[in-house]
Amino acid sequence: NAGVTQTPKFQVLKTGQSMTLQCAQDMNHNSMYWYRQDPGMGLRLIYYSASEGTTDKGEVPNGYNVSRLNKREFSLRLESAAPSQTSVYFCASSEMARGLNEKLFFGSGTQLSVL
Amino acid sequence: KNEVEQSPQNLTAQEGEFITINCSYSVGISALHWLQQHPGGGIVSLFMLSSGKKKHGRLIATINIQEKHSSLHITASHPRDSAVYICAANIRSGGSNYKLTFGKGTLLTVNP
Repeated sequence: NAGVTQTPKFQVLKTGQSMTLQCAQDMNHNSMYWYRQDPGMGLRLIYYSASEGTTDKGEVPNGYNVSRLNKREFSLRLESAAPSQTSVYFCASSEMARGLNEKLFFGSGTQLSVL
Repeated sequence: KNEVEQSPQNLTAQEGEFITINCSYSVGISALHWLQQHPGGGIVSLFMLSSGKKKHGRLIATINIQEKHSSLHITASHPRDSAVYICAANIRSGGSNYKLTFGKGTLLTVNP
């Protein structure tokens, strides 16, 4: 039981390059999330998916796109990377029940640098 | 102003000390999470509370809904407890919708 698997762990991009961060969970959770974590700031929600086939913007969606490919997988794409997107990215999942976030499970994070 | 405030930002303790980290929020919530993040590591969920108190080993989390305040306590602290502790509140964002809002974290260092 791997939990939430996130790849890659590290990535360096040049401004304007594109890339996709992959995330998969094996806990049959409905809800999946992408966050970014920057120094001095709390985790901020980029996009989330409440169920397969649905996605919604979070606090900081600009410059990102997501795909909920199936119940297991939720990918985050940077179409044209910018230095402001240098950050640590976390994928998470939870079994949303009764409007509450149940226990959250996080991936190990991706450290992304955009030069 | 962040809707979720943590204090202190940094905390240094000696091994064996009793630790308290505080979290306050400004609006109604449905639940509050405490998370732990080790340096260079991933994030682990410690507790989810909607009322009262929960205990797991040396960790105790309490919440006072009326005062909009939660605390995380660590008894008999150990160097391996050194980590960033994050609280996250499930805040009503309109109608029956909620959004998870994170505090900025408390960096705890426990010296041997």
